Amino acid sequence: GAVVSQHPSRVICKSGTSVKIECRSLDFQATTMFWYRQFPKQSLMLMATSNEGSKATYEQGVEKDKFLINHASLTLSTLTVTSAHPEDSSFYICSAPEGQGANLEAFFGQGTRLTVV
Amino acid sequence: AQSVTQLDSHVSVSEGTPVLLRCNYSSSYSPSLFWYVQHPNKGLQLLLKYTSAATLVKGINGFEAEFKKSETSFHLTKPSAHMSDAAEYFCVVSDGYGGATNKLIFGTGTLLAVQP
Repeated sequence: GAVVSQHPSRVICKSGTSVKIECRSLDFQATTMFWYRQFPKQSLMLMATSNEGSKATYEQGVEKDKFLINHASLTLSTLTVTSAHPEDSSFYICSAPEGQGANLEAFFGQGTRLTVV
Repeated sequence: AQSVTQLDSHVSVSEGTPVLLRCNYSSSYSPSLFWYVQHPNKGLQLLLKYTSAATLVKGINGFEAEFKKSETSFHLTKPSAHMSDAAEYFCVVSDGYGGATNKLIFGTGTLLAVQP
């Protein structure tokens, strides 16, 4: 199947700094990618939909100025957590759809565990 | 609006015994339903999906699920658990094929433990 690569897998940063997470579709093009956040022992919550060449669509309650999304090419979307605080510590995971019709499937990256100290 | 409820947060079985992970859904549309597995510190892997074809869906690693519209259920089963099945399992609903324009709604997950 298709491969989505997410980098870094783990990052520790200081409060107030910014962190960039990359999501790449390795063997297919993705005009849309999705960013999720997963709190410990909880489910994945959709944060935003990343659209190639246009603005991202954010879910209700997600601060777009804090979670900057850039989808500059058909294979790369980035999520930047700006001015990170300890409450931003979480597991972030991206996905990209690949295929046609009933064969359309969402492929997920490995996730990024962010710890803000 | 779509939603999905996983009835058990934790399930523990012995190796070689059957696995049942329960999922109920709510959808205004004809839903697409999925089961994903997440091993520790790894991304999600699709186990199987239902997209309005056969109601009994067979997936990878011996897992299968049956779509029951009358019960709004999509329970995941496996006849015989293996130690490597220990992971977190998510039931997911989408109002389409889970593609570019369709959002995936995740259940809260079921942590499966397999005892030797």
